This record gives sequence, C-alpha cells and structure tokens, in this order.
Amino acid sequence: AAGVIQSPRHLIKEKRETATLKCYPIPRHDTVYWYQQGPGQDPQFLISFYEKMQSDKGSIPDRFSAQQFSDYHSELNMSSLELGDSALYFCASSLAGIAGNYGYTFGSGTRLTVV
Amino acid sequence: DQQVKQNSPSLSVQEGRISILNCDYTNSMFDYFLWYKKYPAEGPTFLISISSIKDKNEDGRFTVFLNKSAKHLSLHIVPSQPGDSAVYFCAASATQGGSEKLVFGKGTKLTVNP
Repeated sequence: AAGVIQSPRHLIKEKRETATLKCYPIPRHDTVYWYQQGPGQDPQFLISFYEKMQSDKGSIPDRFSAQQFSDYHSELNMSSLELGDSALYFCASSLAGIAGNYGYTFGSGTRLTVV
Repeated sequence: DQQVKQNSPSLSVQEGRISILNCDYTNSMFDYFLWYKKYPAEGPTFLISISSIKDKNEDGRFTVFLNKSAKHLSLHIVPSQPGDSAVYFCAASATQGGSEKLVFGKGTKLTVNP
C-alpha cells in the first residue's frame, strides 16, 4: 500500500542557507501535518493543512513557511537555517475527522543537518 | 510545559512477559489518546487509540487503559516479543476545536530481551 513519501531522506545545509522538504501524502488523504523532532525530543507540531488551506499552526518559526498544493503534496520551506534547526522532520497525512481514532500515517522523515 | 508526559525513558522486559508503558497528561480537553511505535530511521507507526469516553481498548496483544480522573493512560503488551523493541510515544489530541494535531510525550524505549 502507498505510504507517505518524504524527500529527501537526508539533507545537509550550511547556516543561513535555505532548504525545501517535500511530502507526498497517502492518496485521498486530505490533511497533512508537519512535525519536528530534535535529538532525544518528542515530535513537535509545526503546521497542518486541510484541503490546501492552513488548518493549524504550532511552534513554527517565522523563517519557515509551508504550503499544500493542488495535488495535495506539501512543501516545508526553511530559510536562514540555524544550527538548532538540525532535526528530523516528519510529515504525516490523514483523513479529516478520523485522526483521533485511527491516527495519522507518518512518513520516514527527512533528517536535516545544518553545519 | 509538557502536556503529555512519559516519565520512564526506558523499560526492559523478558520475552513473553507483560510490558506496561505509562503516560500522564495535564490537558483535560484531550479527547483522544494514541500510542505510536517508532523504529530507528523510520517514522512513528500508529498502534492503538482510545477515546476519552472509554476506559479500555484492546487490539490483539495491545491494550490501552485510560483513567480520566487520574489523567493517566497505559499501554499493555502481552506477551512481549523481541520485535516489540522500539520507542513508544504516547500522544493526545483535543479535537473539539477542529484541530487534530497530536501532542506527543518524549517516548519510552522498550527493550524486550529474548
């Protein structure tokens, strides 16, 4: 079965550079979530989209932006990268209204390293 | 302020025995609670959930118990198998406001010894 696809799997950037992370949700899923997991930390909610509109916003820095496109894929854009942005970035997708009972499906994540 | 707390960073059990993973929460608005399992280099995988109107949900070897008055839930795995070794995250959601974002605990690393 198709899963949530994230690309790239690994990314190394220098400070002050920009990065774009991509997420392709499970077909027919209408909601996409982005989470950031620092080393030894719990996943922190960044932002979510429902039907291409931002539906909720968490602790996402102003340097980051995201959007969901007409084909439902989503991109997380990160500018002026800082060392502290080094983390695993997970994308997840679900059908709205059932995530409480059935959870989301997470992708394998993008490991971003800022040097 | 950590709204979902997993106070045991690690747990080690023998194969065949019961694993009990605990989770506490502070936000009384949470109405769904979920457990995720995570292997290294993979994303979290949904295991089991429970609605706040229930006190128990069972799926095969996995049972989640919810004690609303104590704001506590636990995941029981019986019998434990070596393949269960992973990090287990407790998560909660307050869906009444229309958001289904999950708030995660810091995880408990379970090791099941053969």
